[in-house]
Amino acid sequence: QSVLTQPPSVSGAPGQRVTISCTGSSSNIGAGYDVHWYQQVPGTAPKLLIYGNINRPSGVPDRFSGSKSGTSASLAITGLQFEDEANYYCQSYDTNLSGLVFGGGTKLTVL
Amino acid sequence: QVQLVESGGGVAQPGKSLRLSCGASGFIFSNYGMNWVRQAPGKGLEWVAIIYYDGNNKYYADSVKGRFTISKDNSKNTLYLQMDDLRAEDTAVYYCATWSGGYPRGYFQSWGQGTLVTVSS
Repeated sequence: QSVLTQPPSVSGAPGQRVTISCTGSSSNIGAGYDVHWYQQVPGTAPKLLIYGNINRPSGVPDRFSGSKSGTSASLAITGLQFEDEANYYCQSYDTNLSGLVFGGGTKLTVL
Repeated sequence: QVQLVESGGGVAQPGKSLRLSCGASGFIFSNYGMNWVRQAPGKGLEWVAIIYYDGNNKYYADSVKGRFTISKDNSKNTLYLQMDDLRAEDTAVYYCATWSGGYPRGYFQSWGQGTLVTVSS
């Protein structure tokens, strides 16, 4: 059970918009620690998608965007494409655990 | 471009040891903190350990503290994970990843392809 809670799955049709939430608490996101997002296509290594809550590394399409408010963060994907099918993980730091933490992951299915 | 290649995975019996390596190229290894992150079969990501760029500071997840040791040899551009007293729950794919930014506010920037460790009798 992770201290960062994500929905197990989300889905959407090509071209649609989906959001993935990452809910934390006052010991992690609410304490001001940044949230970062990773994309993992099954069978491959994770890839950095969003860092510092809202920033996209070079090469990541602007269809991906991040936001943070209070004790939660969100990843939004617009203009869904079949290639976006993957597992998505949020990550931050937790003061109670004194360590880096990941959300449980969200499987995105493009219908 | 950044390349990280893990090796050393395999099958080990409970209570035994294994050492993982991660060879780095394409960036100035001595300037970067490094991590190990693992993923049990069919499960999510779990951070294991981080080491600062100069090797002087190390932090571990509670699940491996006292059993695993992270180290880096900047002269060989190689990161290591010494895993002792292995348990069945340590079975996972182990990824090495570069760290960007200060600890603990940074993030995992580049990842290797992973090496599978199986702990079984």
